[in-house]
Order: sequence, then structure tokens, then C-alpha cells
Amino acid sequence: DQQVKQNSPSLSVQEGRISILNCDYTNSMFDYFLWYKKYPAEGPTFLISISSIKDKNEDGRFTVFLNKSAKHLSLHIVPSQPGDSAVYFCAASSGGSNYKLTFGKGTLLTVNP
Amino acid sequence: KAGVTQTPRYLIKTRGQQVTLSCSPISGHRSVSWYQQTPGQGLQFLFEYFSETQRNKGNFPGRFSGRQFSNSRSEMNVSTLELGDSALYLCASSFQLAGVARELFFGEGSRLTVL
Repeated sequence: DQQVKQNSPSLSVQEGRISILNCDYTNSMFDYFLWYKKYPAEGPTFLISISSIKDKNEDGRFTVFLNKSAKHLSLHIVPSQPGDSAVYFCAASSGGSNYKLTFGKGTLLTVNP
Repeated sequence: KAGVTQTPRYLIKTRGQQVTLSCSPISGHRSVSWYQQTPGQGLQFLFEYFSETQRNKGNFPGRFSGRQFSNSRSEMNVSTLELGDSALYLCASSFQLAGVARELFFGEGSRLTVL
């Protein structure tokens, strides 16, 4: 039972263009969502997050959009840079004492110069 | 400040053996969570320790166990290794319980290969 789904295993974009990474979830109790970026041979690093009370959060070139009715969130990277090439994991949590981050399987983003 | 440190970074074991992995959290962080990463399953939650107590556990068999020491360092152990245990094991720390802190800080992982 995969509660967080990233249906695109990979995505390739040109430098300077927009990258859009998608994530769907099934658990309506999730109230906090995060994106992590992972380079090979490194641990995941936090990128950006959004609470379910918001529908958009922006941090520099990175924007996360949340559509609760569709149980869908997306990460937009504008403009994309070669250094953005990495695996991006979507994660969700319902908080509280029974917290655990539930991750998607990841999307490999390749930004071509 | 120093990040999350995991040792060893790489190790090779054979089926039936056991393995112990170590994690030193960021100084001051009291919660340590463990995750398993495999190509097919992504990142899967193993367990979380806070103040030397296991606070949450994922859906892994009893062969997977862990503990946390008074200095917040944590170890996880896998007994009777199977080929399917080959994976990257990631440790993550946070100052508070992960459910409160939300954001976790990950180490670089321990790459286990079971032959």
C-alpha cells in the first residue's frame, strides 16, 4: 500500500527551463509535506515543505504547490540548473506521536546544459 | 556544526550473518530515525528512537532492531541477513520527536551488500 506516489521515475529538462515534479498521496490524514533532494553517495537533504493549511510555498527557485482536493502536490524549479540534477523524494506526514515520514520512490531529475 | 555521521559507509556480508550499523546524530538532537532505501521501494521507515526509547516502528521483521544510548547515538542491528537486506540504510536526526520537528537531517548512509 503505497501512500505517497511519484509516478515519474525520471525527468529530463533543459537548463533554464522549468522542472515540474509531481507527487500524489492517498492518506487524507497527511497534513505536512516535504521535498528532499538526494545526490549519489549522499543522504537526502531537505529542500522545501508545505503545511496543509497552505496551497503554495516558495523559496527562491523552488515552489511547492498543494492541491488537497486532488491529493496532489508538485515541485516547480525555475529556472532549472545542471546542479539540480538529483533524485527528488516527496514525503508526507500526519504528525503527532505516531509520526513517520512516508516517502515516495523518488524521481531522478536530469538538467541538461 | 557536524552533521549526522554513519559508520561504516560500506560493508559486505554473507547470508545468515548479522550486522550492526552506527549513527551519531547532530549535537543536541535527541531523536534518531532509521530508513532503508532500495531501488524498488524508495525510502522505508524502520524505527525512531528518542531518549533511549523506541517511539515508533515500521513494518519490518523482528530481525531488524535498534537501540539508542544516553548520548543519543544509535545503532541498528540486522540478524540472519538475507539477500533482500542489501540496501542503503539511512539515519536521520532531529532535535525533538520527528513528529514535532517534521524536518529530518540525514546522514550519508551505510551501504550494505549481502552476498
